[in-house]
Amino acid sequence: RKEVEQDPGPFNVPEGATVAFNCTYSNSASQSFFWYRQDCRKEPKLLMSVYSSGNEDGRFTAQLNRASQYISLLIRDSKLSDSATYLCVVLASGGSYIPTFGRGTSLIVHP
Amino acid sequence: EPEVTQTPSHQVTQMGQEVILRCVPISNHLYFYWYRQILGQKVEFLVSFYNNEISEKSEIFDDQFSVERPDGSNFTLKIRSTKLEDSAMYFCASSEFGQGPYNEQFFGPGTRLTVL
Repeated sequence: RKEVEQDPGPFNVPEGATVAFNCTYSNSASQSFFWYRQDCRKEPKLLMSVYSSGNEDGRFTAQLNRASQYISLLIRDSKLSDSATYLCVVLASGGSYIPTFGRGTSLIVHP
Repeated sequence: EPEVTQTPSHQVTQMGQEVILRCVPISNHLYFYWYRQILGQKVEFLVSFYNNEISEKSEIFDDQFSVERPDGSNFTLKIRSTKLEDSAMYFCASSEFGQGPYNEQFFGPGTRLTVL
């Protein structure tokens, strides 16, 4: 069964900390990867796409490791406002572009 | 900033009734999606829609579900005979591109469906 698995949470970190999440995927035909954040009882919002070479957006860095079939998200200098659930989303190629979501990893940033 | 809108925000219905959930995608987007999220569980893909037809659907999207783009702006999800297990948050999303790393989907705020 094709699955997207994420680190169990919650991650409870102080402000200013660096925190990293991993997400593994089982479908080797996966081609596109995304991180979304979801606040409690709200809609998912795109945080960043994950490119093969890795990419950075301010305090957020995403990496892709195709050989080991995982993606990661690094958050530096955590802010209280980063508290949310982070969802890993994978799109496979090969005829079916059904997005598969992970269950999410909860991050709690405390003062 | 353009956004996806959904109505109603909360729908309560009796088991066996039909419901229609409505969405207005971002105006220049061509790809539309419906997802559901049962409370405490992960977001699940239901269906994608492009060029007035379904492009992909999951095993959840069975014969009780249908989608329609009745005009140039609305995108609807109909559930024909609701069951208790249909209770969930239903999210509509849209994207400018259909595949690849540019398939950045923008989600609406969701409709919470409660089936009694």
